[in-house]
Amino acid sequence: ETGVTQTPRHLVMGMTNKKSLKCEQHLGHNAMYWYKQSAKKPLELMFVYNFKEQTENNSVPSRFSPECPNSSHLFLHLHTLQPEDSALYLCASSRATGSGNTIYFGEGSWLTVV
Amino acid sequence: AQRVTQPEKLLSVFKGAPVELKCNYSYSGSPELFWYVQYSRQRLQLLLRHISRESIKGFTADLNKGETSFHLKKPFAQEEDSAMYYCALLVGGSQGNLIFGKGTKLSVKP
Repeated sequence: ETGVTQTPRHLVMGMTNKKSLKCEQHLGHNAMYWYKQSAKKPLELMFVYNFKEQTENNSVPSRFSPECPNSSHLFLHLHTLQPEDSALYLCASSRATGSGNTIYFGEGSWLTVV
Repeated sequence: AQRVTQPEKLLSVFKGAPVELKCNYSYSGSPELFWYVQYSRQRLQLLLRHISRESIKGFTADLNKGETSFHLKKPFAQEEDSAMYYCALLVGGSQGNLIFGKGTKLSVKP
C-alpha cells in the first residue's frame, strides 16, 4: 500500500535552518492532514486542509507553516525550530473530513532538531 | 473534554491466549471510534471502525456507550499481532478530526 508518500523520511536540522517536509497522496482524496507523534504524547493533529483550504490549526506555533497547493500535495515548512520539536511528523489524507471517511497515513518524516 | 484513554502502555501475552486492549473515551457527541495498528517499520493503518461492526484479522471491538469504552479483543493471539495499537475518536461532525490515545504496545510471545 503506497497511497500517501512523505519525503524526506529522515531530516536533521539546526535551530536556524529552514527546511520543508513534503507529502503527496495518490488516492484522489480531498482532505489532507499533518500529525505530530512525539515520544511522550499521543498523536497530535496539527493542521487540516479540505479542498486546499485550511480548516484546522490546532494551536500550532508559527514556526510550522503548512502549504497545500493542490489536493494531492501538502507541505510543512519549518523555520527556527526548537529541540523539543523533534518528532515523527505524519501526513494523512481522506476522501473528505468527518464521519465515514477513513484516514490513510504516510510512513512519516523523522525530524531531529539540533 | 474530548479524550481517548488507553490505560496500558504495554500488554504482553503468550501465543494462543486471549487479548483485550482497553480504550475509554470522553465525548459529549455521538462517538465514532476506530482502532489503528502500527506494525514494526510500517505505517499506521486502520484496523477496524465501530460503525462497520466487522472482524479484521480476528479482532473485534464493540462500542459500549454506557461504559464509554471501545475495547479491542481477540480470542487467540498470534505472534504476528505484535504491534502498537491506537484507539481513536472522531470529533467535530462534518469537519471532524481524529483524537488518538497514547497507544498500547502488544507483545505476543511464542
